[in-house]
Amino acid sequence: NAGVTQTPKFRVLKTGQSMTLLCAQDMNHEYMYWYRQDPGMGLRLIHYSVGEGTTAKGEVPDGYNVSRLKKQNFLLGLESAAPSQTSVYFCASSDGSGSTGELFFGEGSRLTVL
Amino acid sequence: GQNIDQPTEMTATEGAIVQINCTYQTSGFNGLFWYQQHAGEAPTFLSYNVLDGLEEKGRFSSFLSRSKGYSYLLLKELQMKDSASYLCAPMDSNYQLIWGAGTKLIIKP
Repeated sequence: NAGVTQTPKFRVLKTGQSMTLLCAQDMNHEYMYWYRQDPGMGLRLIHYSVGEGTTAKGEVPDGYNVSRLKKQNFLLGLESAAPSQTSVYFCASSDGSGSTGELFFGEGSRLTVL
Repeated sequence: GQNIDQPTEMTATEGAIVQINCTYQTSGFNGLFWYQQHAGEAPTFLSYNVLDGLEEKGRFSSFLSRSKGYSYLLLKELQMKDSASYLCAPMDSNYQLIWGAGTKLIIKP
């Protein structure tokens, strides 16, 4: 059982370049999330989705866009990368809120913007 | 505002017991999660508390006091593999998790 899979695992970009991170889950979860994790800080929510075709902004959405065209996939795009976007990005999925809201995380994508 | 406070780092000895505290302030409350994160890896679920009291799961226990905005994670019979960061995450009224920066636990032989 693959769970949550993120691609790519590592990427180096130059300032101004664009890229897309792909998250795929095989657990039929409704909820999907994109977080970033920086040293000394908690996970910060970028965008999330409560179902196919829906997206919503999280705590730090600026500079990112997302799409959820299929229930199993959640894409995170950077249109014009900036050094401040150097981070580890985690995708997560869940069945819903409350105790069933346990998040299942992907392995992370380490992005460096030069 | 919403705020999570937990110690940055703790050190304990293999075989001992350690308690990691977390205090929180959130807009509404729908339970509190604890996750474990080994260096370079993704967080993994440890526990969920929504009612006051202690939840025990093997060597790990988690306690919640909603009136005090306080939780702790208790780890017994520490093993070297327990060296990791432990993340406290209460869920607010919008069912969003608010994440603390985590407590790095170092286990010494």
